[in-house]
Parts: sequence; C-alpha cells; structure tokens
Amino acid sequence: GQQLNQSPQSMFIQEGEDVSMNCTSSSIFNTWLWYKQDPGEGPVLLIALYKAGELTSNGRLTAQFGITRKDSFLNISASIPSDVGIYFCAGPHSGGSNYKLTFGKGTLLTVNP
Amino acid sequence: NAGVTQTPKFQVLKTGQSMTLQCAQDMNHNSMYWYRQDPGMGLRLIYYSASEGTTDKGEVPNGYNVSRLNKREFSLRLESAAPSQTSVYFCASVPPPSDEQFFGPGTRLTVL
Repeated sequence: GQQLNQSPQSMFIQEGEDVSMNCTSSSIFNTWLWYKQDPGEGPVLLIALYKAGELTSNGRLTAQFGITRKDSFLNISASIPSDVGIYFCAGPHSGGSNYKLTFGKGTLLTVNP
Repeated sequence: NAGVTQTPKFQVLKTGQSMTLQCAQDMNHNSMYWYRQDPGMGLRLIYYSASEGTTDKGEVPNGYNVSRLNKREFSLRLESAAPSQTSVYFCASVPPPSDEQFFGPGTRLTVL
C-alpha cells in the first residue's frame, strides 16, 4: 500500500534551535498535510499544502510542497518547550481514494529548556 | 462547537469482553474515520464512512465493526477484545470538499 517515509524518527534539541523534518513517498501526492500531536491529545492540523512548490508559513512553522510532488518539508524556527510532540505528515495520494489519508509514522520532537 | 468528541477517554477490558467506542461531531461533516495509534506505527486506518449510510474497511479492520448511526455519530465496536487491540483510538471527520481531518481527543484502551 501507499507509504510515507518520515524522517527523522526522533529529535532531541535545545530550546532556540531550528528544526527540519521531511516526508517522502514513491508516489505523487496532490495535498500535503502536517499535523502536530501533543502528549495525550489528538493530532491537530498545522499547515496544508495544495500546489507543487508551495511554501506556506504559520508563525514559526514553514512547510513546503516539493516540486516533484513526492516530498514535503517542515521547518520550525527558534524552538520553544511547547513545540514538544509528534509531528505527522499526511496526504491523499493521486489516484487513490479521496476519502483516505496516508500518514507518516511521525517525528518525535523533544525540546530541552 | 465541541468539534469531535469521543467517549470514553479510558477503558480497561478483559480478553473476550465487548465494548463500543463512541464518536460524534457537530460540524456537519460528511466523512468520518476511526484510527488506531500504536508506538512507532503512526496512525492506521481501521474503518471509514464517506457519508451517512456507507462504511468501508481501512488498513486494519479485523476484529472491529462500525456503525454510522447518523451524520453526527460513528461508533467502533470490539466484539471480543484481544490484547493486540490495546491501543489509542482516534476518531476524525472531514468537511467537504477538503482533505483536512479533524481529530477527537482519543480513547485509551487496555485489554488484559
């Protein structure tokens, strides 16, 4: 089935550092979604990307839809302790059901104050 | 709006017991989903309902059944719980014509 490879699996950084994570697929995606899951909570949508090459920001977060439509990147600038959580990429793949999303396995981010 | 709500928040079952996880959304969304989340596995789709009256299997449907009671409610039933079903279960809904899923807070289920 459709798979998304998300890396890194985990990151342990100091407060104030910048963070980069990415998601790749062997298939084309029409939409890329980035979610954050706080400990003990459900995932919350951070950024949605709809066009190849699109660069979108949400505060300290910036995400890009890769030109090939097979990858996406999420950057967090000047990390703070509340950035701790699991970050997931997701998307409905081209040719597949528009009702289903494929999720990456997540990047666990730990921020050391 | 309460968004997506799930009950219960926590549940402990013995092997072989049955239970139903409840999910409701007040956003008038058409599509609803049930996922399970296990460490290192991400979110795996159990069942989904594209619209009221329809349900379809996802990636890991074995051992589960669902009911789309009406547009608001989508329940997940475990007929005979097994330890392998120990997990965190999330319900989600999607507004048309979007792909952006809204998640509930989750149900943490332990099967002994």
